[in-house]
Amino acid sequence: EAGVAQSPRYKIIEKRQSVAFWCNPISGHATLYWYQQILGQGPKLLIQFQNNGVVDDSQLPKDRFSAERLKGVDSTLKIQPAKLEDSAVYLCASSLIGGSTDTQYFGPGTRLTVL
Amino acid sequence: QKEVEQDPGPLSVPEGAIVSLNCTYSNSAFQYFMWYRQYSRKGPELLMYTYSSGNKEDGRFTAQVDKSSKYISLFIRDSQPSDSATYLCAMRSTGGGNKLTFGTGTQLKVEL
Repeated sequence: EAGVAQSPRYKIIEKRQSVAFWCNPISGHATLYWYQQILGQGPKLLIQFQNNGVVDDSQLPKDRFSAERLKGVDSTLKIQPAKLEDSAVYLCASSLIGGSTDTQYFGPGTRLTVL
Repeated sequence: QKEVEQDPGPLSVPEGAIVSLNCTYSNSAFQYFMWYRQYSRKGPELLMYTYSSGNKEDGRFTAQVDKSSKYISLFIRDSQPSDSATYLCAMRSTGGGNKLTFGTGTQLKVEL
């Protein structure tokens, strides 16, 4: 079974530039999550999708971050404009149905450096 | 105060040692407790999963949950160099969908 795919793996940009990350979840998984992991911290949920609908985006900085999952499969996360404090690893995860006992499977992440 | 507290380490032990990793939490609504292992430059992978209080064993790994103390532990027996990674505790409540709250992670190094 193929895992969660993410690209790019690494990205370096200057502050105020824009950047986009792509995620392809495990086939058949209805729920998709984007996490932000700052160095030395645990992952923090940014947004959760159930199919193509948003379940939780309470911790997404909506003035600069946006995410979509138009066809209920792959997803993109965008930052515009980027700030220095956005430097982090952006992890995508997926799970089968999003229930309380569902296991989340993580991708390798995209490491973003904002200069 | 953070909802989940975890000592970041680093923790260095000799091969074969018993390792004890711990987390404390403040939210009494947490019912599901997980331990994830994260190798350098990789995503977290689920290691152990426990519901409510009690113990769970899987090979060299044992997870313990003490809800009365709001304290969870992961024990690794006969530690190996391949166990060197960051260990993240994670928790979620019932009715909270599938939202996980993570600790900061403990970096473990098992030396030959």
